[in-house]
Amino acid sequence: DAGITQSPRHKVTETGTPVTLRCHQTENHRYMYWYRQDPGHGLRLIHYSYGVKDTDKGEVSDGYSVSRSKTEDFLLTLESATSSQTSVYFCAISRTGAYTYEQYFGPGTRLTVT
Amino acid sequence: AQRVTQPEKLLSVFKGAPVELKCNYSYSGSPELFWYVQYSRQRLQLLLRHISRESIKGFTADLNKGETSFHLKKPFAQEEDSAMYYCALSQGGSEKLVFGKGTKLTVNP
Repeated sequence: DAGITQSPRHKVTETGTPVTLRCHQTENHRYMYWYRQDPGHGLRLIHYSYGVKDTDKGEVSDGYSVSRSKTEDFLLTLESATSSQTSVYFCAISRTGAYTYEQYFGPGTRLTVT
Repeated sequence: AQRVTQPEKLLSVFKGAPVELKCNYSYSGSPELFWYVQYSRQRLQLLLRHISRESIKGFTADLNKGETSFHLKKPFAQEEDSAMYYCALSQGGSEKLVFGKGTKLTVNP
């Protein structure tokens, strides 16, 4: 599992409240990612990080912010949750394989915004 | 822009039948392609990478640059193959992946 954990694993929150999801890795990988998974859309990249305090936007970054103050932790924050952000959120790391980068995923966080 | 298309949202086969999950991509450079599998309510797992030309759990996938395809095949499907399958593309050594929308495979007994 490439030493990736996510917390919480499940969360129900109300519209308008802030929510922070945590991704933790134990193998000191440089690259980390946040995706959301929705039926009919597959996986879409929200934000990614290429080092401590180095982050960039992905395909669906509106309404989300991230922070990475330590190599091992990558936080995703929904500043004011909306029902459209109900989704399963996956964190991933990128590990260099024999020839290329390969991504490995955390177990996911199921977020419901009511 | 790079794009990955999986034309089938759902695919249903019987145990022992051959299965092919289609993946087409658009990218002008040298792509690197992957198949990921997600069993029910589990994390995504890397199944295959085109560059290593391997066979994992009986699955193979060949990159066809002429047809811009990377279809996943297995000659004899098993019930435990039932899962969600995602095709993904990385632009030549990039650390970012673009995913298709996925195909849900159901293998019936």
